Amino acid sequence: NAGVTQTPKFQVLKTGQSMTLQCAQDMNHNSMYWYRQDPGMGLRLIYYSASEGTTDKGEVPNGYNVSRLNKREFSLRLESAAPSQTSVYFCASSELRALGTSYTFGSGTRLTVV
Amino acid sequence: GDSVTQMEGPVTLSEEACLTINCTYTATGYPSLFWYVQYPGEGLQLLLKATKADDKGSNKGFEATYRKETTSFHLEKGSVQVSDSAVYFCALSVNTNAGKSTFGDGTTLTVKP
Repeated sequence: NAGVTQTPKFQVLKTGQSMTLQCAQDMNHNSMYWYRQDPGMGLRLIYYSASEGTTDKGEVPNGYNVSRLNKREFSLRLESAAPSQTSVYFCASSELRALGTSYTFGSGTRLTVV
Repeated sequence: GDSVTQMEGPVTLSEEACLTINCTYTATGYPSLFWYVQYPGEGLQLLLKATKADDKGSNKGFEATYRKETTSFHLEKGSVQVSDSAVYFCALSVNTNAGKSTFGDGTTLTVKP
């Protein structure tokens, strides 16, 4: 099925470890986004990529880096994981220039940092 | 900046009860408005949307009307089912803002048999 694929679905890290969350979309969307979801705090934007070759910080970028590898793929890297980064991470994509275009979300990565 | 305010939850209803989840917004431009639904253990998925004033979005028995004069987009359903139990997010996007959407904090709905 067409959509947004995130890997892995679950991950446990020790404090200080690094990891990369992968995201790929097959809808030929220009824009991709990384959000984190925490209880009582809704969705917070970490980074986004309006188009291939560009990335920008969102609301909570500290402790993260991103790479827009090509039009399909947008990865999120934690260089040195901290317990405060325990969260559910969602990748999403959309077509930037179309009025009223919604996001398509992946199923999420549940990350625990101990 | 842009913002979305949803009624706080959680909301608990009996099956076949009426549902209203309030959503109001502020936006720097002319926004499109959305409701997303998140079922347990899943990502968000689009429920309905509206792109201009007085438009009504509808899907799966849910409705919401874009009210520019009151900057609102309240979600309604006349008769909820147990399967409607989920978290509901109101969101807006302004086309000039790199396509970024602004989300409300989400409202958890539990429907009991």
